[in-house]
Amino acid sequence: SQQGEEDPQALSIQEGENATMNCSYKTSINNLQWYRQNSGRGLVHLILIRSNEREKHSGRLRVTLDTSKKSSSLLITASRAADTASYFCATPPGGGADGLTFGKGTHLIIQP
Amino acid sequence: EAQVTQNPRYLITVTGKKLTVTCSQNMNHEYMSWYRQDPGLGLRQIYYSMNVEVTDKGDVPEGYKVSRKEKRNFPLILESPSPNQTSLYFCASSLWSGQAQETQYFGPGTRLLVL
Repeated sequence: SQQGEEDPQALSIQEGENATMNCSYKTSINNLQWYRQNSGRGLVHLILIRSNEREKHSGRLRVTLDTSKKSSSLLITASRAADTASYFCATPPGGGADGLTFGKGTHLIIQP
Repeated sequence: EAQVTQNPRYLITVTGKKLTVTCSQNMNHEYMSWYRQDPGLGLRQIYYSMNVEVTDKGDVPEGYKVSRKEKRNFPLILESPSPNQTSLYFCASSLWSGQAQETQYFGPGTRLLVL
């Protein structure tokens, strides 16, 4: 099954700065989804971007999708301590019902 | 409130003692699935269900069973748990677009320790 891979694996920034995380995948997709996970807790959906979309915003979050490069990025602007979490991209397999394939995530630390 | 609930949240058991982790969603979602999360391995799908009485294997189904008798419930059954099933388990549900899963809603997780 295809796989999303996040980059970097870990990121530490100061509060107020912007954080950018990247995701690459291997095959064609129907949509790409970003999730956040606070330590040991359930995943929370952030944004779903469809294959025919190039950019999507939600509050301080901005997601871009480049299907020609098979990559996506998640930008968090004006970061806050509460943004400290792991962030995952996930893709459902094209044309199939198999589960979302998750990358191993980017662990983001926001330092006050 | 739209949600996915799982029970129990924490469970310590011994090898071979059958257990069931329940999962329930109140969003009338067709698609439900179980994942396990392990350090260094990320989230991996165990089983999924596209509707009542329709289930299929995910990436790591060995040692697990599921059933989908009602749309809202999707229990995960470990008939004879082993220590390698010690993990953090998540249930999730979503709409099915006909082509792919839409936004997945995750339960809070069940932390299982098998001694």
